[in-house]
Amino acid sequence: SQTIHQWPATLVQPVGSPLSLECTVEGTSNPNLYWYRQAAGRGLQLLFYSVGIGQISSEVPQNLSASRPQDRQFILSSKKLLLSDSGFYLCASGTAISIFGSGTRLTVV
Amino acid sequence: GDSVTQMEGPVTLSEEAFLTINCTYTATGYPSLFWYVQYPGEGLQLLLKATKADDKGSNKGFEATYRKETTSFHLEKGSVQVSDSAVYFCALRSAYSGAGSYQLTFGKGTKLSVIP
Repeated sequence: SQTIHQWPATLVQPVGSPLSLECTVEGTSNPNLYWYRQAAGRGLQLLFYSVGIGQISSEVPQNLSASRPQDRQFILSSKKLLLSDSGFYLCASGTAISIFGSGTRLTVV
Repeated sequence: GDSVTQMEGPVTLSEEAFLTINCTYTATGYPSLFWYVQYPGEGLQLLLKATKADDKGSNKGFEATYRKETTSFHLEKGSVQVSDSAVYFCALRSAYSGAGSYQLTFGKGTKLSVIP
């Protein structure tokens, strides 16, 4: 069965510092991959999705970027974090049914 | 665009009480509908789903019926347990194909606390 590994579970970073969150998928090949964010008081918002290596689509303009260097690896990055980047970040995979990772809670201070 | 509206939480119930979490949606065509659950410290897990009108999804005693006429997918459980304490998310997936079409649109989530 499909499994998503996401790390770290929690992260506290200062404003202006870089960010790299990694997500890897097991048990499938060529998955659709997604990054979602849940900000305080808001629902889950789709940030990026990828249908293959090197293919990234952005749903909202922001301070973040995503990359897919390998088939089952999806990375969320920022060069300089803002306070508004705080939130709970979830990686997901799948088509008919989406499978989610356990998430990373990011606090920018 | 697509949207999902869930009842505001938090919801606090006593054990064995009846649960209803309302969910309504706006979408073009016939989306697929989902309920996800997030237990403390964990990621989202699929709880149940329905892919066409009048379908009933069910799992772990929870049920939800896809109502096209009222654009609703309310979550119900007849007798909640302490272990049901979690955040519940209603979500939809658009009926239209194309790259990225499997993305989900979520509601804000409803936190449920069940007390003994």
